[in-house]
Amino acid sequence: EVQLVESGGGLVQPGRSLRLSCAASGFTFDDYAMHWVRQAPGKGLEWVSGISGNSGSVAYADSVKGRFTISRDNAKNSLYLQMNSLRAEDTALYYCAKDIRWQQHNPAFDCWGQGTLVTVSS
Amino acid sequence: DIQMTQSPSSLSASVGDRVTITCRASQSISRYLNWYQQKAGKAPKLLIYAASSLQSGVPSRFSGSGSGTDFTLTISSLQPEDFATYYCQQSYSTPPAFGQGTRLEIK
Repeated sequence: EVQLVESGGGLVQPGRSLRLSCAASGFTFDDYAMHWVRQAPGKGLEWVSGISGNSGSVAYADSVKGRFTISRDNAKNSLYLQMNSLRAEDTALYYCAKDIRWQQHNPAFDCWGQGTLVTVSS
Repeated sequence: DIQMTQSPSSLSASVGDRVTITCRASQSISRYLNWYQQKAGKAPKLLIYAASSLQSGVPSRFSGSGSGTDFTLTISSLQPEDFATYYCQQSYSTPPAFGQGTRLEIK
């Protein structure tokens, strides 16, 4: 069974940093691109970042470019999101999502974690 | 960036009804369009990818069609478990944007 489990969320002050993790199991991790998608409370879905199976290609939403860094460790079947200079508008439930493809360019997300909540507030 | 617009934003329907949700892209995206279902408090679920391909395990009452800028998701006969919010998502170019969602409610 494919499973994605996020961790690392919490309450953080504006301007501080947080690192999210996603532990994957039940599939060959390095065969697929992985993504972070967020959902602000009561709002819709927003893609944040994606990374290809071998980490050779990454992409970011303009709203997080220069502040967030996506990475993966295929030996540990894990995906990460380093979030720096956090803002109130980054407050959201952050989902880890598996792509149906190896490359991250044309994504469809066929498996999602349960999400980890990030709250940015003083 | 490509913008995705869904209509309607909300919809009331009854069990057994045939329902259609529309998604329009701000420019042509060929058939790079996916549909998701999200129930309250749960993660989204992929229903349809590449405009009309049914994801494994998804009931056949769900179908997708369209190409270019206009797409539809059709539920042929609504079941109680189908009441949820539906999102379209373009995968033609980065960033892969979602529509604003269509909330399907019980009449």
